[in-house]
Amino acid sequence: KNQVEQSPQSLIILEGKNCTLQCNYTVSPFSNLRWYKQDTGRGPVSLTIMTFSENTKSNGRYTATLDADTKQSSLHITASQLSDSASYICVVSLGEGNKLTFGTGTQLKVEL
Amino acid sequence: EAGVAQSPRYKIIEKRQSVAFWCNPISGHATLYWYQQILGQGPKLLIQFQNNGVVDDSQLPKDRFSAERLKGVDSTLKIQPAKLEDSAVYLCASSSGTGDYGYTFGSGTRLTVV
Repeated sequence: KNQVEQSPQSLIILEGKNCTLQCNYTVSPFSNLRWYKQDTGRGPVSLTIMTFSENTKSNGRYTATLDADTKQSSLHITASQLSDSASYICVVSLGEGNKLTFGTGTQLKVEL
Repeated sequence: EAGVAQSPRYKIIEKRQSVAFWCNPISGHATLYWYQQILGQGPKLLIQFQNNGVVDDSQLPKDRFSAERLKGVDSTLKIQPAKLEDSAVYLCASSSGTGDYGYTFGSGTRLTVV
């Protein structure tokens, strides 16, 4: 069964600190892996997209890594800001049909 | 580039009533998706259109849900009759086609069934 599991389920950090979110997947055949940020009451917004051959990609303070051998990905947030408070969803694309399998997300809260 | 537009943003209805959601995808995007996102869960695909044809509706509860995409542009999703468990955010997304990474979500419609 194709699955995407994320950890932790929720996380609270202080403003300015760094954090790392984890994603493990069993989706096959793998096409690409995406990280989305979803603010409360809004649709998901893409942060990074990585194919099988890419092992890291950055978008400002967000850096995603991918290990296709172990089927693991991480999203590292540097120097967190209050506006980073959101749900972060790991999404794996299946094969050629671009069918997406979503994780349940990590709820991040950044506090003063 | 304009994003994916959805309306209404919020809707509250009583169970057994009907409701419809509207989506206008990014101009030129051939593929349109409707997702249901229950609180605390990831989005679940309900239906995928390629132009005005249905590609995947395997998880659409067809006894109460229907969707159409006339002329391959705008789309509507309807629920009739609604149940309490239909309370969720309904997200529309579009992409320019298979293999495209430019997958864009709308802001969603939050439905509450009471």
